[in-house]
Amino acid sequence: NAGVTQTPKFQVLKTGQSMTLQCAQDMNHEYMSWYRQDPGMGLRLIHYSVGAGITDQGEVPNGYNVSRSTTEDFPLRLLSAAPSQTSVYFCASSYRAGANVLTFGAGSRLTVL
Amino acid sequence: AQTVTQSQPEMSVQEAETVTLSCTYDTSENNYYLFWYKQPPSRQMILVIRQEAYKQQNATENRFSVNFQKAAKSFSLKISDSQLGDTAMYFCAFMNPWGFGNEKLTFGTGTRLTIIP
Repeated sequence: NAGVTQTPKFQVLKTGQSMTLQCAQDMNHEYMSWYRQDPGMGLRLIHYSVGAGITDQGEVPNGYNVSRSTTEDFPLRLLSAAPSQTSVYFCASSYRAGANVLTFGAGSRLTVL
Repeated sequence: AQTVTQSQPEMSVQEAETVTLSCTYDTSENNYYLFWYKQPPSRQMILVIRQEAYKQQNATENRFSVNFQKAAKSFSLKISDSQLGDTAMYFCAFMNPWGFGNEKLTFGTGTRLTIIP
């Protein structure tokens, strides 16, 4: 039982490049979400999904796309990276929407030059 | 919109002592959840303790306990008999889980706690 797995752990991009942060969970959780963590600002919600085929925007969605084709996977796409997207990204899941305990992945540190 | 405020950016305490981390929040909701998360240098987010707003009894998990004052919108974390492994960033967080997709955690800015040997 791996929990929530994020890849890659570290990534350096140049401005304008695209990339996908992967998130997979093996707990059959319905709810999945992406947060970003910036110094002095805590974690902020980017996008979330309450089940396969259903996604919605969180607090800071601009510059990011998501999709949820399977229950297990919830990738986060940066189509044209900007220095403002330099951050640590966390994927988190729970067994259903409305459950109050989230399981977090180990985080992915992204640097955009 | 909910806000969470942690007014202590950094704290330090001697090993085996007790330390209290402060958190205040603002919400118009009556039912909600409050959390303390620990983030050690490994970066992993670890749930320390959870409080349900409709429960008057303060939550306790081993050496960790909270002082939940609903009227004052205060939610402090007390760590007793502090250990070196408690050194981490601690985040206070709020959740209103009563709506479709409304389960986001609103985090404070964190308190960096250092346990001194």
